[in-house]
Amino acid sequence: NAGVTQTPKFQVLKTGQSMTLQCAQDMNHEYMSWYRQDPGMGLRLIHYSVGAGITDQGEVPNGYNVSRSTTEDFPLRLLSAAPSQTSVYFCASSAPLAGGRNEQFFGPGTRLTVL
Amino acid sequence: AQSVTQPDIHITVSEGASLELRCNYSYGATPYLFWYVQSPGQGLQLLLKYFSGDTLVQGIKGFEAEFKRSQSSFNLRKPSVHWSDAAEYFCAVGINTGNQFYFGTGTSLTVIP
Repeated sequence: NAGVTQTPKFQVLKTGQSMTLQCAQDMNHEYMSWYRQDPGMGLRLIHYSVGAGITDQGEVPNGYNVSRSTTEDFPLRLLSAAPSQTSVYFCASSAPLAGGRNEQFFGPGTRLTVL
Repeated sequence: AQSVTQPDIHITVSEGASLELRCNYSYGATPYLFWYVQSPGQGLQLLLKYFSGDTLVQGIKGFEAEFKRSQSSFNLRKPSVHWSDAAEYFCAVGINTGNQFYFGTGTSLTVIP
């Protein structure tokens, strides 16, 4: 199994450009999430999905869109990039167990810079 | 509201010394607790987790953590640190209403020879 994969690893955008960060998992996990990691702030949840066709907002959803058409894929879209979105983005997946006891598996991250 | 606090932003220890990283949480119900480690430029790797039962849990790489309900803490320990343990450590709480994790802000560990 490849686990959770993310592409690209690095990306530089200009303000106002759009792009999609790709995330895929081959573990047949129902749950998938996107986080951003900023210095001194840990990881903050952007959006998450509990299954194909179902998504919801996390702590910091503004400026990001997601969709989940398949179990395997969970792309994150930036419609109009802003410098405040410069960050490292992590995708994670997990298999739900009763009571939220899901261990999350993380991808290697995408380092995004917005100029 | 739930939250996770890691009061130590940065810790420096000598190789071979013992280590304790602190984590406190705020959550109204029984928490599900995790420690993750992140090496520079890498993703997050699970060290250990606590769901229920024995409050002292063992993890990978010689780490352990103890859940103390009375103190709302889940501190990570290692009796003898190795240079390869230098990394960022994150405590996290998983909550019962779906796929939501709350992470602490992390503790950066430096190991000196």
